[in-house]
Amino acid sequence: GENVEQHPSTLSVQEGDSAVIKCTYSDSASNYFPWYKQELGKRPQLIIDIRSNVGEKKDQRIAVTLNKTAKHFSLHITETQPEDSAVYFCAASKGSSASKIIFGSGTRLSIRP
Amino acid sequence: DAGVTQSPTHLIKTRGQHVTLRCSPISGHKSVSWYQQVLGQGPQFIFQYYEKEERGRGNFPDRFSARQFPNYSSELNVNALLLGDSALYLCASRQLPYGGQETQYFGPGTRLLVL
Repeated sequence: GENVEQHPSTLSVQEGDSAVIKCTYSDSASNYFPWYKQELGKRPQLIIDIRSNVGEKKDQRIAVTLNKTAKHFSLHITETQPEDSAVYFCAASKGSSASKIIFGSGTRLSIRP
Repeated sequence: DAGVTQSPTHLIKTRGQHVTLRCSPISGHKSVSWYQQVLGQGPQFIFQYYEKEERGRGNFPDRFSARQFPNYSSELNVNALLLGDSALYLCASRQLPYGGQETQYFGPGTRLLVL
């Protein structure tokens, strides 16, 4: 069945360094890949998304890359700041009439001062 | 412009009881999806509704049901509650079910505790 694997489960980086979170998906028909940030006790917030016709997308300090052949996609955060500390979820969807989104298991990112 | 709203914010029930959770989508959004998020895990898809019709169902038992109303708001019902149903229940809305507008926006969730 559909599955999204996410690594690592926890990540600690020094403030100012970069953080990378990687995901793989199983359904080759997936064509939409959002990333969500969830702070403790709050709702998941969409931070960036990418569609299958694009290989890379950037938004200020955040970038996402997609390798459809390998069914891999990654989140890159540069110049990390304390407010980047949160749980990050990758997800995949077919973007069809059924908008089921399959989420990864999450990465708890901690930024050390 | 209001975002997705959910009620109640918190709920405590006992095993065997029934619960109804409510969601109002962003104005103009016609599709509502429900997710269950157990502590420490990613959200798990339960249902998607569009124009009052079920368009998708996740791997959840028949104790879980939902419906969508003409104003596009939605209810999630869970019967015969089990301890394992304790979770954050998230509602997400999107504008269209078909390609091009896949972005979903989540509500604040309802935290359900089953004792």
